[in-house]
Amino acid sequence: DAKTTQPPSMDCAEGRAANLPCNHSTISGNEYVYWYRQIHSQGPQYIIHGLKNNETNEMASLIITEDRKSSTLILPHATLRDTAVYYCIVRTFNAGNNRKLIWGLGTSLAVNP
Amino acid sequence: EAGVTQFPSHSVIEKGQTVTLRCDPISGHDNLYWYRRVMGKEIKFLLHFVKESKQDESGMPNNRFLAERTGGTYSTLKVQPAELEDSGVYFCASSQLTGTRTGELFFGEGSRLTVL
Repeated sequence: DAKTTQPPSMDCAEGRAANLPCNHSTISGNEYVYWYRQIHSQGPQYIIHGLKNNETNEMASLIITEDRKSSTLILPHATLRDTAVYYCIVRTFNAGNNRKLIWGLGTSLAVNP
Repeated sequence: EAGVTQFPSHSVIEKGQTVTLRCDPISGHDNLYWYRRVMGKEIKFLLHFVKESKQDESGMPNNRFLAERTGGTYSTLKVQPAELEDSGVYFCASSQLTGTRTGELFFGEGSRLTVL
């Protein structure tokens, strides 16, 4: 079973920031938080990941609470093309080769004009 | 650089028939994964190859599913005989063996299987 909880759906106005929450209260010390998204009829796409520090890349920012029990993915200026299902996943990132992801149902984000 | 490619994009078959799905990973990616989404459900892991070896096949639903990766390049997933509950979208993903900080999986666009 997925170890994360996300709201099933959210709306955001185009040009505004989209803040997608995720709860992972049972996260272990060696587990990372990953975010992927799936735009309709496409394969899932990696967005960002983090362990305990906040992270930022060209797509988004990831804010992880100090106790690591929850996180927020921020799309700073949402566009219509950001309409997708967003998945928050926790997994161990180790030296081994297994990168099996356990998916939940994600948050369906609708960016409105 | 070409991404992960999957073929066919959509296959419609009758119950009892056989279907073979193909995945071409990104060149140089030793890790190859198969996932499946059944309508309305979560994406589920099926199996993981490292080069030509099966690293983890714990998600394969039953022995009607056979995955191969001869030579450690492309992979095939055969369903024989297909059942109605096999309908869904089959995703393939690949990643580098080691040396990447992101742990990022690169996904193909999926092969939609409809069993009538």
